[in-house]
Amino acid sequence: DVKVTQSSRYLVKRTGEKVFLECVQDMDHENMFWYRQDPGLGLRLIYFSYDVKMKEKGDIPEGYSVSREKKERFSLILESASTNQTSMYLCASSFGQANGAQYFGPGTRLLVL
Amino acid sequence: AQKVTQAQTEISVVEKEDVTLDCVYETRDTTYYLFWYKQPPSGELVFLIRRNSFDEQNEISGRYSWNFQKSTSSFNFTITASQVVDSAVYFCALMGSTSYGKLTFGQGTILTVHP
Repeated sequence: DVKVTQSSRYLVKRTGEKVFLECVQDMDHENMFWYRQDPGLGLRLIYFSYDVKMKEKGDIPEGYSVSREKKERFSLILESASTNQTSMYLCASSFGQANGAQYFGPGTRLLVL
Repeated sequence: AQKVTQAQTEISVVEKEDVTLDCVYETRDTTYYLFWYKQPPSGELVFLIRRNSFDEQNEISGRYSWNFQKSTSSFNFTITASQVVDSAVYFCALMGSTSYGKLTFGQGTILTVHP
């Protein structure tokens, strides 16, 4: 079974704090993705990565950065959290060819006060 | 540009009823892939099915079935004899061959199955 884990299920941070969201997959997947999910807006892609040290912007990268130092780990960084970044964050991974199914982690609900 | 439309925001049924979730997509790619995901209250998206644009055969998996019609750009999902455990948000998604692995999701349909 594919296993994608995220470091926290719930997180509360203050405006201006630096926030790290960690994602780890144990299936040796090449591709990893970060999405945010908001009511009425569905899932939107923030960043993705096809390989170690590679990153590509998704549809809404502003205010975020990512890091992929190891194949199994993909981190999402909020350099200076803002209230409009309160959301559900979902990590996913997929194997090999880019058209493979993506497998998702349990999500992190982030509240920025 | 790619787009996925799930016109039904919410559906409510009583257990054992059949229910169909609609999905209509737009893409300029000739090769593309369609997906359905289930998101139960726990929050994790669960992969249900992946179809490629060259395979229009309908698929059945237990109580789940999918109807892919290229002529109408639709990929509908039917749950037969629904159960309370089917209550979830269901997402249809599209990946075009030129989108480099990026999924475009529909807005999701909230399905509530009442006992």
